[in-house]
Amino acid sequence: DTGVSQNPRHKITKRGQNVTFRCDPISEHNRLYWYRQTLGQGPEFLTYFQNEAQLEKSRLLSDRFSAERPKGSFSTLEIQRTEQGDSAMYLCASSLAPGQGHGELFFGEGSRLTVL
Amino acid sequence: AQKVTQAQTEISVVEKEDVTLDCVYETRDTTYYLFWYKQPPSGELVFLIRRNSFDEQNEISGRYSWNFQKSTSSFNFTITASQVVDSAVYFCALRPIIQGAQKLVFGQGTRLTINP
Repeated sequence: DTGVSQNPRHKITKRGQNVTFRCDPISEHNRLYWYRQTLGQGPEFLTYFQNEAQLEKSRLLSDRFSAERPKGSFSTLEIQRTEQGDSAMYLCASSLAPGQGHGELFFGEGSRLTVL
Repeated sequence: AQKVTQAQTEISVVEKEDVTLDCVYETRDTTYYLFWYKQPPSGELVFLIRRNSFDEQNEISGRYSWNFQKSTSSFNFTITASQVVDSAVYFCALRPIIQGAQKLVFGQGTRLTINP
């Protein structure tokens, strides 16, 4: 499968615990994005990387959230001291850089977080 | 600031009917991309189409067609002769065409149910 891969697909945790999600983008894509989607809403942008550089972060990304892409390939999204409001689907997407593609993002199936 | 509005929260039709999903957007940018994505129950957002703001030509792809009208800031999506497999949540999204602007702004989505 050469699509965007995310794991785990589902995570149930207790409030206050830390969780980490992983995203493996399409191999030739140098841009990687994280979005959050709550029930009945559209995805909201969190952050994006070009290669290993994190170029933009949304104000939605509080200090408890950190994203990395250490080697410019896979990325991790960590949430520390989880709160019930963090319960959502966390979507990863990847794309080619401008000029190399047409701007469309290719999404993974998401990691659903439930905080009890 | 950009905003995308999908006023129809849910639509339910009988198979073989035609159905139109509305999308209205707001942006101060003069050039931008518009997108439609499909989200089936599996959760993965599937790219359907991208349009440039300077290309108002409508597009048809099989049973799908898109009507872009810059004068009314609308980018509507029509499915002709709907099928049960078309059941999903559909999202309209917007992104400016300026360097560094990478985040897609999504509407809230329209849940489409095609009944047999």
